[in-house]
Amino acid sequence: DSGVTQTPKHLITATGQRVTLRCSPRSGDLSVYWYQQSLDQGLQFLIQYYNGEERAKGNILERFSAQQFPDLHSELNLSSLELGDSALYFCASSGGLAQETQYFGPGTRLLVL
Amino acid sequence: DAKTTQPNSMESNEEEPVHLPCNHSTISGTDYIHWYRQLPSQGPEYVIHGLTSNVNNRMASLAIAEDRKSSTLILHRATLRDAAVYYCILRDLQGAQKLVFGQGTRLTINP
Repeated sequence: DSGVTQTPKHLITATGQRVTLRCSPRSGDLSVYWYQQSLDQGLQFLIQYYNGEERAKGNILERFSAQQFPDLHSELNLSSLELGDSALYFCASSGGLAQETQYFGPGTRLLVL
Repeated sequence: DAKTTQPNSMESNEEEPVHLPCNHSTISGTDYIHWYRQLPSQGPEYVIHGLTSNVNNRMASLAIAEDRKSSTLILHRATLRDAAVYYCILRDLQGAQKLVFGQGTRLTINP
């Protein structure tokens, strides 16, 4: 158990819809990262938050947004969903801004029909 | 980000040592070599990392070539639970904190 929790575990929705994925980092971790894993693209970094502020952006679509709340949990919002957004979405956390170990949650499996 | 090259797949037998290679010929002086693995239906997990010297921990050993252009992750006695995709990742001490995953090596362990 990494200490990172993600909800829901599975999500099935239709094209055009909007969903919210939630992540609770390990106790005391200030950095949260979101990654997407699809069959064709592999594991790709989406976005990082540190103590409530956006820190780095990767290959995140404009239809996707994220935020980190004062209690340090984070949410990834996916809107106008397309079939190609079906993937595993992982959240990871680390202590701060150094090159520390990242601890991954179990992921949310999103299926867009 | 400097790139790494790993074999797509490897196979080994239970209770035997496994050597997982990684080539990183464009590694810079400030790049650390990290290994993560992803067990089936789970998120990635940290295995080990090093800079120049060989490293050991309870999970594995990391052997780093003298020129640092390659490294090898060593599982001393593989178990069925070690079947996973293993990722070799370079992380610049001064760079971004994100992890850049390649395709990794899918390790199969035969009973």
